[in-house]
Amino acid sequence: KQEVTQIPAALSVPEGENLVLNCSFTDSAIYNLQWFRQDPGKGLTSLLLIQSSQREQTSGRLNASLDKSSGRSTLYIAASQPGDSATYLCAVKSGGSYIPTFGRGTSLIVHP
Amino acid sequence: GAGVSQSPSNKVTEKGKDVELRCDPISGHTALYWYRQSLGQGLEFLIYFQGNSAPDKSGLPSDRFSAERTGGSVSTLTIQRTQQEDSAVYLCASSLTSGGPDTQYFGPGTRLTVL
Repeated sequence: KQEVTQIPAALSVPEGENLVLNCSFTDSAIYNLQWFRQDPGKGLTSLLLIQSSQREQTSGRLNASLDKSSGRSTLYIAASQPGDSATYLCAVKSGGSYIPTFGRGTSLIVHP
Repeated sequence: GAGVSQSPSNKVTEKGKDVELRCDPISGHTALYWYRQSLGQGLEFLIYFQGNSAPDKSGLPSDRFSAERTGGSVSTLTIQRTQQEDSAVYLCASSLTSGGPDTQYFGPGTRLTVL
């Protein structure tokens, strides 16, 4: 059974810092890995999706990497802004399953 | 274009009553998922629909929970005889298909409070 862990659970940084959020998974046979952000009281917004054959994906100030062999993905946020404050979740879709497994998320606060 | 919509956005009900939650997926998306998010918990998978195939109900927590998807589009999640532990945010997501690289798009959720 796939298990997904996100560390740290919470993070508070000053504006302008570059930061890294971590996602680890136990079964390396995955289809894809998706990063989401969730604002308080809202649904999830997709940020980046990395297919199993890819090593990384980039969108603006966000870069997500995937290392299947070590069961890890990182989300890098450059030059953080207060508007980046949200909970970030990763979800892993494993081989042979249509149901993604979600981590519990990292709650990020970027203060001015 | 229109995203995934859910209604109602908030629902307050009394213990023992039945509730229906609605999800309108993105047009053309064949895969539809229901999740539950309780305070301080991660996303809990409930049920998954793919086209006209039989749904995967493996995540439903009890037989009080059921869901339908009519015409391969709109889905309704029904909770019978609600209990206080059913209080949570119920999220719906759709994707173009269920396999491979397809991105999941989430609705805003329905916040259910059982008094």
